[in-house]
This record gives sequence, C-alpha cells and structure tokens, in this order.
Amino acid sequence: DTGVSQNPRHKITKRGQNVTFRCDPISEHNRLYWYRQTLGQGPEFLTYFQNEAQLEKSRLLSDRFSAERPKGSFSTLEIQRTEQGDSAMYLCASSLSRPQETQYFGPGTRLLVL
Amino acid sequence: AQRVTQPEKLLSVFKGAPVELKCNYSYSGSPELFWYVQYSRQRLQLLLRHISRESIKGFTADLNKGETSFHLKKPFAQEEDSAMYYCALSGQVGNFNKFYFGSGTKLNVKP
Repeated sequence: DTGVSQNPRHKITKRGQNVTFRCDPISEHNRLYWYRQTLGQGPEFLTYFQNEAQLEKSRLLSDRFSAERPKGSFSTLEIQRTEQGDSAMYLCASSLSRPQETQYFGPGTRLLVL
Repeated sequence: AQRVTQPEKLLSVFKGAPVELKCNYSYSGSPELFWYVQYSRQRLQLLLRHISRESIKGFTADLNKGETSFHLKKPFAQEEDSAMYYCALSGQVGNFNKFYFGSGTKLNVKP
C-alpha cells in the first residue's frame, strides 16, 4: 500500500458537464475526507466518512455535489452541472477513527471547468 | 465561528536564522491543533500535532490557549525547510468533528 491515491490527477471539462473523482484510502483507515483547495487558500473541508457512513457535510457542498463510499473502502465525489467556480484541487485524505489521528493526503485531482 | 488564521502569506529568512510561523485560532471548545507541510511537488503531510508535544525536523509548536495561538518555531532554518505550511484545527461540534485549515504560509529559506 503506497498511500492514498486519487484518480484522475487532472480533469478538464466544459461548464455544465458532470465529473466524478475517485479516492482510494490507505486500506486499514476507516475515515475518509474530501477537501477542496483553491489558489492561495488552505484545504476547505467538504465531507467525511466513517466506514460507509457519511457523517458530516460542509455547507460548501451544494446540491450539485455528492459523495459516496459504498463499501467503506474507496470513495467517489461527483459534481453535477459543473460551474467555473468549481475549478479547484480536490483532495482526499484518510485516517484511523479518532479525530486526532493523522490524516494522510492523496495527491489531489485538479479540476478545470471551461 | 471556527477559524484558523495564518497572517503571513510569505516568510523569507536566511539559512541559520530562527523562524516562527504564526497561527491563531478561534474555537469554542478544546481543539486539536496540527501543522501540515507541503514541499514542492509533494502531497500535504503532517508535520506535528500539539497532543504529541514532539519536535519534528527541529520544529516545535506550543499551544497557548490564553492567546489561542499555535505558532511553529525552529531555531535554525535550513534550505530544505522551504515549503508551504498549513496550520489546522480539529474540533467537536455537536456529534461530529470539524476540520479547518489556515490559508498557509510559504516559507522561503535563502542560502
């Protein structure tokens, strides 16, 4: 296991299209997090899962965003009807259960909406 | 509102000089504080966390609840310390955990 992986690494899409990103966490980690990072800002929390349960969603996560972790392993983040403002780096992280546990980050998926 | 503030976007120091990256937080509870680092072309990684009271790569950070600060310090900066540094907070809000990152400080250590 080489750490958290994300696919694709880059995605260019046209406004109005749907996109889906995948995150594969470290295998023994039961928590999985999604963040969004725009230029000059730190990561902004979007949502997190404990196993397959989605425990918390940020108000940043509009109705166009949906995340799943169906089997408690990999997760997908879908953005429907993309807008130019969705252009950002989408980061995934995983950790063990306790909140003070280290979050291990993936390399991110960079989304550009034209 | 819960917030993490890093007032400096860029900090430039010469090799061997002391460095302090500032972090202030606003949180109505007992937070967990972290410093994450991102070296060029690498992913974000944990540098240290306050509960461990450890020194990593010569860096230390002390949680000051009175001043609500968690500044990162190193007595003698090295060129390899050049990176983006993010202060982060984890806290319980209701039944769930919340996670907040600061906007980051770019540390540039000059030879």
